[in-house]
Amino acid sequence: GQQVMQIPQYQHVQEGEDFTTYCNSSTTLSNIQWYKQRPGGHPVFLIQLVKSGEVKKQKRLTFQFGEAKKNSSLHITATQTTDVGTYFCARRGYGFNKFYFGSGTKLNVKP
Amino acid sequence: EAQVTQNPRYLITVTGKKLTVTCSQNMNHEYMSWYRQDPGLGLRQIYYSMNVEVTDKGDVPEGYKVSRKEKRNFPLILESPSPNQTSLYFCASSLKGDEKLFFGSGTQLSVL
Repeated sequence: GQQVMQIPQYQHVQEGEDFTTYCNSSTTLSNIQWYKQRPGGHPVFLIQLVKSGEVKKQKRLTFQFGEAKKNSSLHITATQTTDVGTYFCARRGYGFNKFYFGSGTKLNVKP
Repeated sequence: EAQVTQNPRYLITVTGKKLTVTCSQNMNHEYMSWYRQDPGLGLRQIYYSMNVEVTDKGDVPEGYKVSRKEKRNFPLILESPSPNQTSLYFCASSLKGDEKLFFGSGTQLSVL
């Protein structure tokens, strides 16, 4: 189907450790988006990846889009307590404004 | 300030009592949509709108109605709420040609 599978569901890390969340699809994706939702907050757009094999960086965050455009990952280097939240990937479905979100990875960072 | 405004923030109601959650955006966005967020399920799209008077069903439209009479407003209507509609609801908007979604602050709805 058009769903995207996201793993892991939860991740607890010590501050300073790295963190990675993965997003997988059974079908080829036109693009993939990543959002962050702080506890009690709303999802905030982080980035969109479009090209096969694309890698983009935002400070300590590295986003990758697989060569086959069926998977993506978000890696955070040296986590900080400000990274706490749930990270979602999202794919566009058929129709411009139709989106499918992964179930999210909830990151907890212990100081 | 560019934003998507949802009201109310919290709502407790009883089964069968009609309610409306309002959503307004001040960015002149063509596209607007509604999502519900449930633990372990991520965000699921309820309805979306491509422009005024143009709406379509998302993945979980049952029990919901929407209308888009003005470009800035996209209310979500629950004609006869049921307990399985207890959830966190988000409105989102985006500009035509740009798929980046801007979300409202959310409405936590409890149906007793």
